[in-house]
Amino acid sequence: GAGVSQTPSNKVTEKGKYVELRCDPISGHTALYWYRQSLGQGPEFLIYFQGTGAADDSGLPNDRFFAVRPEGSVSTLKIQRTERGDSAVYLCASSSQDGDTQYFGPGTRLTVL
Amino acid sequence: DQQVKQNSPSLSVQEGRISILNCDYTNSMFDYFLWYKKYPAEGPTFLISISSIKDKNEDGRFTVFLNKSAKHLSLHIVPSQPGDSAVYFCAAYSGYSTLTFGKGTMLLVSP
Repeated sequence: GAGVSQTPSNKVTEKGKYVELRCDPISGHTALYWYRQSLGQGPEFLIYFQGTGAADDSGLPNDRFFAVRPEGSVSTLKIQRTERGDSAVYLCASSSQDGDTQYFGPGTRLTVL
Repeated sequence: DQQVKQNSPSLSVQEGRISILNCDYTNSMFDYFLWYKKYPAEGPTFLISISSIKDKNEDGRFTVFLNKSAKHLSLHIVPSQPGDSAVYFCAAYSGYSTLTFGKGTMLLVSP
């Protein structure tokens, strides 16, 4: 079956602009996670959804970052007033339920110039 | 403060030999551990996991060992194959739903 998909695969933007990154989880997976991976680091947790609600957003670095999952399936990570330090690969994962193995998408590489 | 540590950034092994990747953790609340493999330009792929109630889990060429008293786990790949060349991440759950990852170890298996 189809895995987790993320679009776009690459995004280049200018400092100060707004970006949206999309994640389409595995069909039927109720849990969805966003991570950010900087160069030379492992993925770092940003936010976790169980259904439509954000169950844990403690990893969001500041209020420029926001994510939604309005229908409990597709999720969008939104970054306002982007900064050069936001440049990273943004990974999305889903699992069939809370605590199960997480399956990752290919990521979106964000570059802020 | 890194709670999951992979102290070897890279490892080189010859084809057919054993690869041993190590991982240490500091948070005693971690109760489930996973290994992911990552190729360039792809997302991490789940490889194998182990619960804290076990000390070993095996799946084909891959075996994970857990030493709770030492807060240490290791991934053994035998025999190693060139296709195993990738970055390997150790990750842990603490009973919540978010994973804490190490920085990864790049494994290179040469023919």
